[in-house]
Amino acid sequence: AQSVTQPDIHITVSEGASLELRCNYSYGATPYLFWYVQSPGQGLQLLLKYFSGDTLVQGIKGFEAEFKRSQSSFNLRKPSVHWSDAAEYFCAVGPSFKAAGNKLTFGGGTRVLVKP
Amino acid sequence: DSGVTQTPKHLITATGQRVTLRCSPRSGDLSVYWYQQSLDQGLQFLIQYYNGEERAKGNILERFSAQQFPDLHSELNLSSLELGDSALYFCASTPLRIDPSDTGELFFGEGSRLTVL
Repeated sequence: AQSVTQPDIHITVSEGASLELRCNYSYGATPYLFWYVQSPGQGLQLLLKYFSGDTLVQGIKGFEAEFKRSQSSFNLRKPSVHWSDAAEYFCAVGPSFKAAGNKLTFGGGTRVLVKP
Repeated sequence: DSGVTQTPKHLITATGQRVTLRCSPRSGDLSVYWYQQSLDQGLQFLIQYYNGEERAKGNILERFSAQQFPDLHSELNLSSLELGDSALYFCASTPLRIDPSDTGELFFGEGSRLTVL
């Protein structure tokens, strides 16, 4: 069965500092990988996705993530955090073939707090 | 704006009652997913519909049911509500077509927050 682990429940970072959120997945085949962000009172917005090709993917809001197959990881990074990045971040894994229906499995989320 | 519309945004009801949550997917999306987000369980997949047919079922309680109508909107029915059903219920949609433009991401609505008192 597929699963996603986000080891850090909370992370506090100073504004302007770098941020890295960890994500490890378990999946029996080549996965599609996603990072979503949820701001307070909002739905989930896609930050970036990996489905093939270059293992370093760029997303919106200055985020990037690197897929490392050997480590079953898809960590999210941002070089310089802004106060508006305070939110909850979810890593998700899904099937790479349409017959499986695109169902995504989400990690438990990492809540990011940004200090001024 | 993802293009997925959920109503109502907030709902407060009592234990034992029944509620219906509604979802309108993005234009052209054939598949609809329901997720439940609670503090203790995180984001849990409930059920998926594709073009009116149930496609996959997750951790959905027997007290809950869903359907997708011919116009592709979907409803999630929650009955005999318990305190523990208080959560944010998300609907998401995706095209689920065999073409390169569909890379598997789900588009989420803003959710319906259910409070059971």
